[in-house]
Amino acid sequence: SQQGEEDPQALSIQEGENATMNCSYKTSINNLQWYRQNSGRGLVHLILIRSNEREKHSGRLRVTLDTSKKSSSLLITASRAADTGSFFCAFLNSGTYKYIFGTGTRLKVLA
Amino acid sequence: EPEVTQTPSHQVTQMGQEVILRCVPISNHLYFYWYRQILGQKVEFLVSFYNNEISEKSEIFDDQFSVERPDGSNFTLKIRSTKLEDSAMYFCASSDRLYTDTQYFGPGTRLTVL
Repeated sequence: SQQGEEDPQALSIQEGENATMNCSYKTSINNLQWYRQNSGRGLVHLILIRSNEREKHSGRLRVTLDTSKKSSSLLITASRAADTGSFFCAFLNSGTYKYIFGTGTRLKVLA
Repeated sequence: EPEVTQTPSHQVTQMGQEVILRCVPISNHLYFYWYRQILGQKVEFLVSFYNNEISEKSEIFDDQFSVERPDGSNFTLKIRSTKLEDSAMYFCASSDRLYTDTQYFGPGTRLTVL
């Protein structure tokens, strides 16, 4: 299966805490992107990390990529209630050149 | 900031009817995509489009589906004869000069087939 798996499926934390979610995949990839989706609405792009990169930062977001383990993690530091939503990884299969989305992590940040 | 727009936001149709979902990608982007998300499930790739032709398509994208860039701004997805299982959120996306660039998604069209 080309499916991406994310864990945890759901995460509930207090405001101010850090949230970490993980994405694993099975194929060779060209890049991996993280998206956020609020309540079944559109997908908002967060970060793109290419297969030759190991870590990227954007504001309170930190993404790592370990191609040897075929996994990526998204860390949100100092979470806020407004961070509540679903987070998805999407990777570009370098063989088929199709983007495959992960199953998503539902994050709830309690005020 | 430029964004991808989609119309309509919600489309209700009867089984067997044709629907056309419309997207306006970001103006200088060259690659266009359609995805769908069945309620409660993950986002699934349907098709990518570049230089007026399909680049890649998934197994979902069968003969009932077609895409078109009828003019310099719109990108459409047509479902010829809708089925109940076509009910989903359909997202359009676009990316800049390379297939490997960031994809920017529209807000989606919720398609309900009765």
